[in-house]
Amino acid sequence: GEDVEQSLFLSVREGDSSVINCTYTDSSSTYLYWYKQEPGAGLQLLTYIFSNMDMKQDQRLTVLLNKKDKHLSLRIADTQTGDSAIYFCAERTGGSYIPTFGRGTSLIVHP
Amino acid sequence: DTEVTQTPKHLVMGMTNKKSLKCEQHMGHRAMYWYKQKAKKPPELMFVYSYEKLSINESVPSRFSPECPNSSLLNLHLHALQPEDSALYLCASSSGIFDRGQITGELFFGEGSRLTVL
Repeated sequence: GEDVEQSLFLSVREGDSSVINCTYTDSSSTYLYWYKQEPGAGLQLLTYIFSNMDMKQDQRLTVLLNKKDKHLSLRIADTQTGDSAIYFCAERTGGSYIPTFGRGTSLIVHP
Repeated sequence: DTEVTQTPKHLVMGMTNKKSLKCEQHMGHRAMYWYKQKAKKPPELMFVYSYEKLSINESVPSRFSPECPNSSLLNLHLHALQPEDSALYLCASSSGIFDRGQITGELFFGEGSRLTVL
């Protein structure tokens, strides 16, 4: 069955880069997403990547996809305290409109 | 307008009460979702409506009753809930449009309704 794994916690200093990793098992995954959830709020889509891409960059965010290893990462450059949140990786196959979410990585940014 | 609006933001109810959660989107999305989220956990899918028809019910207890009055609105009717039903209830929508057999579009989430059952 489908499975999406993430480490639960990441702690970084303000100004450093953060790298949040995700692995998935479904080789037919077509769309891969990163969502951000701040305390008490809903999930905000940060970025997504199609499986035929290796990399996508959007301002401070860089997504890398290694399809062979089924590994997805989100790099946040110049991490700020406002980036503290839970980051969910999610994947979806082309034939479904239901994404599978990872357990979320709690990013803590220290001043 | 890329917003999904949920009301109320907070709801406290007793186990014998009947209440409703409401969700609205004006993005023309044809798929709408209800998720339940417990603290520090990922969202769990409850229901999916596609083109105003219930297409997925993830074996949710009947004390939760979804309703999709039109393509912009989604309700979740609550009756005789249990304290363990206390959670953040999230509504989401996506374009849900078939394109050569593929569904395109990511999920857009509302801010959620925080439900406490006493």
